[in-house]
Amino acid sequence: DTGVSQNPRHKITKRGQNVTFRCDPISEHNRLYWYRQTLGQGPEFLTYFQNEAQLEKSRLLSDRFSAERPKGSFSTLEIQRTEQGDSAMYLCASSLGGFAEQYFGPGTRLTVT
Amino acid sequence: SQKIEQNSEALNIQEGKTATLTCNYTNYSPAYLQWYRQDPGRGPVFLLLIRENEKEKRKERLKVTFDTTLKQSLFHITASQPADSATYLCALLTGGGNKLTFGTGTQLKVEL
Repeated sequence: DTGVSQNPRHKITKRGQNVTFRCDPISEHNRLYWYRQTLGQGPEFLTYFQNEAQLEKSRLLSDRFSAERPKGSFSTLEIQRTEQGDSAMYLCASSLGGFAEQYFGPGTRLTVT
Repeated sequence: SQKIEQNSEALNIQEGKTATLTCNYTNYSPAYLQWYRQDPGRGPVFLLLIRENEKEKRKERLKVTFDTTLKQSLFHITASQPADSATYLCALLTGGGNKLTFGTGTQLKVEL
């Protein structure tokens, strides 16, 4: 399977803990995106990378959130000092350039207790 | 303010009928509009992309229209099947083609 993969699929953590998610995009895609989705809502854009450069961050991405894409391949999204409001599905997508369809991974469901 | 509106009420139709879903937007000037399908607990799956200079696009049983004057897109599934039951998301490509802004989605249920 050469689609977008995300790990872990589920994460339960206690408030105040740090969590890190990983995304492996489709190998030839130079763009990688992170979105967050809560129940009954569409995905909301968080940030995107072109190769290894992080080019845009949403205002939703507070200082507790950081994303990296070393070497322009896989990406990690870290949330520090998690809060209950961080509970959501975190989706990763990749595309071949801008103005193109995006291919989504299965998501990581985060529950903060 | 900017809005993308999809019917929040579920759409229930009988197998074999045509399902029509609506996406309205305000205060956007998107170059591209996309439709995605999402099943429970899974990521969205790309279906169709339509450009601002295209009025209509088709793919198998799917048809999308894009009216930039009305600021509306219609998504049609003909000869619907129970397997078409899912949530359908409309998304505008904004920010210079750099990000998708999604509507809330419409849940479609196709009954036998």
